Amino acid sequence: GAGVSQTPSNKVTEKGKYVELRCDPISGHTALYWYRQSLGQGPEFLIYFQGTGAADDSGLPNDRFFAVRPEGSVSTLKIQRTERGDSAVYLCASSLISGRVSEQFFGPGTRLTVL
Amino acid sequence: AQTVTQSQPEMSVQEAETVTLSCTYDTSENNYYLFWYKQPPSRQMILVIRQEAYKQQNATENRFSVNFQKAAKSFSLKISDSQLGDTAMYFCACPAQTGANNLFFGTGTRLTVIP
Repeated sequence: GAGVSQTPSNKVTEKGKYVELRCDPISGHTALYWYRQSLGQGPEFLIYFQGTGAADDSGLPNDRFFAVRPEGSVSTLKIQRTERGDSAVYLCASSLISGRVSEQFFGPGTRLTVL
Repeated sequence: AQTVTQSQPEMSVQEAETVTLSCTYDTSENNYYLFWYKQPPSRQMILVIRQEAYKQQNATENRFSVNFQKAAKSFSLKISDSQLGDTAMYFCACPAQTGANNLFFGTGTRLTVIP
């Protein structure tokens, strides 16, 4: 079956612009996570959805970052007024159920470059 | 605070040999899971193995096994009969905090398998 997909695979934008990153989870997975991975670092948590609602958004760095999952499947991470420090790989993961033991399946990520 | 420490930024191993990657962590939880993820150049994070903290028996998945020392909060990964396809970044991860569903990752170890 299809895994987690993310589009675009690469995005180059200019400082101050708005970007949207899309995540298609594995069909039937109720939990969805966004992580950000800076160069030379491990992934850092941004936000977690259970169904349509954001159950935990404590990892979002500031109010320029926002994410939605309106129908409980596809999710979009939105970044306003991008800054050079936002450059990173944005990873999406999904799991069949929520919970601390559920395996998270990751997508290939979107590499965002802010010039 | 949650910490995951991978003290080996880079390692190399000869093909067919065995290598051990180290990881130490800190958590206030009593019941939790620990994970090792592999990230090849394709960027996609792949679960290698997971360990249930309340189980004394070390987890094993084919050529991959862990040495879990709960009291020492140590969770090392052993790769036997290393193959060229094992070349990747390896990340150790644990649940972020009490009640959280997201993962907290270490900074990773870059493993190179030499032919």
